[in-house]
Amino acid sequence: ETGVTQSPTHLIKTRGQQVTLRCSSQSGHNTVSWYQQALGQGPQFIFQYYREEENGRGNFPPRFSGLQFPNYSSELNVNALELDDSALYLCASSLEVTPGNTIYFGEGSWLTVV
Amino acid sequence: EDQVTQSPEALRLQEGESSSLNCSYTVSGLRGLFWYRQDPGKGPEFLFTLYSAGEEKEKERLKATLTKKESFLHITAPKPEDSATYLCAVQVGYQKVTFGIGTKLQVIP
Repeated sequence: ETGVTQSPTHLIKTRGQQVTLRCSSQSGHNTVSWYQQALGQGPQFIFQYYREEENGRGNFPPRFSGLQFPNYSSELNVNALELDDSALYLCASSLEVTPGNTIYFGEGSWLTVV
Repeated sequence: EDQVTQSPEALRLQEGESSSLNCSYTVSGLRGLFWYRQDPGKGPEFLFTLYSAGEEKEKERLKATLTKKESFLHITAPKPEDSATYLCAVQVGYQKVTFGIGTKLQVIP
């Protein structure tokens, strides 16, 4: 049990729609990152939020956006969904941005785009 | 660009048959190397962080080691419950963690 909770666990959307995924970080963790994991692949870094500001971004288009709230919970929003967006979306939290700090993952949200 | 390569992609062991998983990396300025275990349909579960060459960490039947170019995850006398995908990841800067594709381990009773 990592203390990182995500919702919803599973959802199905239609191509072109928009989706919001939610994450509550481990208590006291002010850094949240989001990852996309396609079937049979390792997680791919989407972006990181630190104290409510986007702090780094991977190679994902602008239709992937996020928010972090004062209680450090976070949202991932994806607009104009494409079939290739079907994946497991993982939220991860860590204490501070310090490199090498342990990163704890939630169980993920399974998104299927049809 | 940071690269992480894991081998083998899949490994099938008899219960009690020890083996090693490999993670080779090409990065500039490693800040941390992580090992995670991932069960089907679940999020990655943290196992170890290694920071510098020569470092070793152990947990139950698992032992992780680090050199300047690669890391090994040694599994001693594995049990069926050790079956999972083992992910290796590296961190260079402050944000991005780069993962390998993982090694899918199956331990047969």
